[in-house]
Amino acid sequence: GAGVSQSPSNKVTEKGKDVELRCDPISGHTALYWYRQSLGQGLEFLIYFQGNSAPDKSGLPSDRFSAERTGGSVSTLTIQRTQQEDSAVYLCASSAGTGRNQPQHFGDGTRLSIL
Amino acid sequence: QKEVEQDPGPLSVPEGAIVSLNCTYSNSAFQYFMWYRQYSRKGPELLMYTYSSGNKEDGRFTAQVDKSSKYISLFIRDSQPSDSATYLCAMSASPSGGSYIPTFGRGTSLIVHP
Repeated sequence: GAGVSQSPSNKVTEKGKDVELRCDPISGHTALYWYRQSLGQGLEFLIYFQGNSAPDKSGLPSDRFSAERTGGSVSTLTIQRTQQEDSAVYLCASSAGTGRNQPQHFGDGTRLSIL
Repeated sequence: QKEVEQDPGPLSVPEGAIVSLNCTYSNSAFQYFMWYRQYSRKGPELLMYTYSSGNKEDGRFTAQVDKSSKYISLFIRDSQPSDSATYLCAMSASPSGGSYIPTFGRGTSLIVHP
């Protein structure tokens, strides 16, 4: 499809395990964002990639969280030693650039549940 | 105090009603204001985008920004059951480091009943 694709759509894992979440942005989009959405909360910014520039990691909540973007396209968000408070929907968005008139297009998210 | 405040609702209205959704904010640097619609188990979808103060209309939707009061609104006319969703406001300032990373409200759940 032409939209942002995220996988898996659902993930259940045990506390302490590592998880990897994947995002395929819209083809040609240079900017990619990761957000976390907890129940009853707004979207919490995690990390942002733009082209070949160093990512903006200012939203990552701890050093257990990391992300990479290979070849300027697919991105993987990794959470190490998961905790129950990591349970949330993780959303990825991409845009054609970083200008103010470049809307973000969101995927449908990965629902992560930590037992 | 959160930077962006939004009543989570739920807001329940009859079909055909005019709906008013609102957000307040505290950061006077915000200049760009957005409304997203999010259906259950889906990602947010951009509905409206406005810059600075004033009104913007798109079909049944009108976005209003009052920077002096730090208050934004989204009006939906002739509401339909298909409008039932969570509506998120978002806003951003001029970029530092090159990106307009928005700050989101918690979202208001809207239910339009036939």
